[in-house]
Amino acid sequence: AQTVTQSQPEMSVQEAETVTLSCTYDTSENNYYLFWYKQPPSRQMILVIRQEAYKQQNATENRFSVNFQKAAKSFSLKISDSQLGDTAMYFCAFRPPMEYGNKLVFGAGTILRVKS
Amino acid sequence: DTGVSQDPRHKITKRGQNVTFRCDPISEHNRLYWYRQTLGQGPEFLTYFQNEAQLEKSRLLSDRFSAERPKGSFSTLEIQRTEQGDSAMYLCASSLGPPLGGPSDTQYFGPGTRLTVL
Repeated sequence: AQTVTQSQPEMSVQEAETVTLSCTYDTSENNYYLFWYKQPPSRQMILVIRQEAYKQQNATENRFSVNFQKAAKSFSLKISDSQLGDTAMYFCAFRPPMEYGNKLVFGAGTILRVKS
Repeated sequence: DTGVSQDPRHKITKRGQNVTFRCDPISEHNRLYWYRQTLGQGPEFLTYFQNEAQLEKSRLLSDRFSAERPKGSFSTLEIQRTEQGDSAMYLCASSLGPPLGGPSDTQYFGPGTRLTVL
């Protein structure tokens, strides 16, 4: 079974600085999909960034980028120029190839606090 | 595009009562998912529909849980004889599915229904 591990329960960062959230996963599949979702306090979960495992290039979305290390099964999220609105719970999620189902497997999450 | 909506947002019930939640997906999305999230944890998959067909169910979905998507649009999740352990946030998500949705088949989440069983 696939598992996702987020080893940092909580992180803090000063406004305008850079922070990296860690995620590792376990799978025997070669072709899969990885996601980072953000869940602000008392608000709904929104997609931050996604990565297809067959793509070697790391995904970027404005201030958000990933470091995808397929051999190490690592998928970290880098947030540059942190803003107060980035304060949220961040979840790393794994989705296997379509033929093995469509469910997302989530990590336990990392609480990120951006301080002014 | 109004996003995924869920109703009610909060539900408080007494142990042993039945509850039903509703999810309206993004209008063109043919896939719909239910997840359960307990405090401080990541969501756990419950079940998945493609159109009106329920294609996958988790072991977490006991006999007291049932989900439907009768016309391939909105979905309902019913919990019968609720227990205190059912207290959680119930999240609904939808996706477009390939080929239009692309191979990643990204899921978009609703605001959730928070259930408290007393």
